[in-house]
Amino acid sequence: DTAVSQTPKYLVTQMGNDKSIKCEQNLGHDTMYWYKQDSKKFLKIMFSYNNKELIINETVPNRFSPKSPDKAHLNLHINSLELGDSAVYFCASSPRAPETQYFGPGTRLLVL
Amino acid sequence: GDSVTQMEGPVTLSEEAFLTINCTYTATGYPSLFWYVQYPGEGLQLLLKATKADDKGSNKGFEATYRKETTSFHLEKGSVQVSDSAVYFCALSEPAGGTSYGKLTFGQGTILTVHP
Repeated sequence: DTAVSQTPKYLVTQMGNDKSIKCEQNLGHDTMYWYKQDSKKFLKIMFSYNNKELIINETVPNRFSPKSPDKAHLNLHINSLELGDSAVYFCASSPRAPETQYFGPGTRLLVL
Repeated sequence: GDSVTQMEGPVTLSEEAFLTINCTYTATGYPSLFWYVQYPGEGLQLLLKATKADDKGSNKGFEATYRKETTSFHLEKGSVQVSDSAVYFCALSEPAGGTSYGKLTFGQGTILTVHP
């Protein structure tokens, strides 16, 4: 019954590694988002997809690449992880922009 | 660009105290305004929202009124409980047709701790 789910919940990895975070929503929504929350709790949009099409791409390093295989999934792949990538990453979805967004539980990434 | 400013935290209150968390915004159009709440170790949940001027959003005893003249959306609750301890985020989203495609612009968050 989970509306927006993310895997994994925790991710601890070494600098330089490549990792992926997966997001799935079972709400039938058209739009999905990735947000980053830093250590001071500040939240900032990274990407947004609408019906598998990229519509928002904020100033994010090229090491971050979103992929949407279908409208229920939006994955985030990160290459060459750096210490500064340590954060909580939240996936969200909405029926269509700009309606209410529903957030996943977050993925806590720690880069050592 | 759009921005949201919340009152500095953290805020510490005793149970049954009155709560106000101030939020002001800057936007080019007529945004929708939201309050989200993040309980410890969890994701964000929508607390309430308002989509046009003078609308009042309310939920679980919390209220906020969309004030266009003062560009504000302050969160209030008459009597807080220990279970209200969380981080509260004010956010805005531009209306449909804008170039922001519904992205949420968040304030910096306010940590609320309520003691018994």
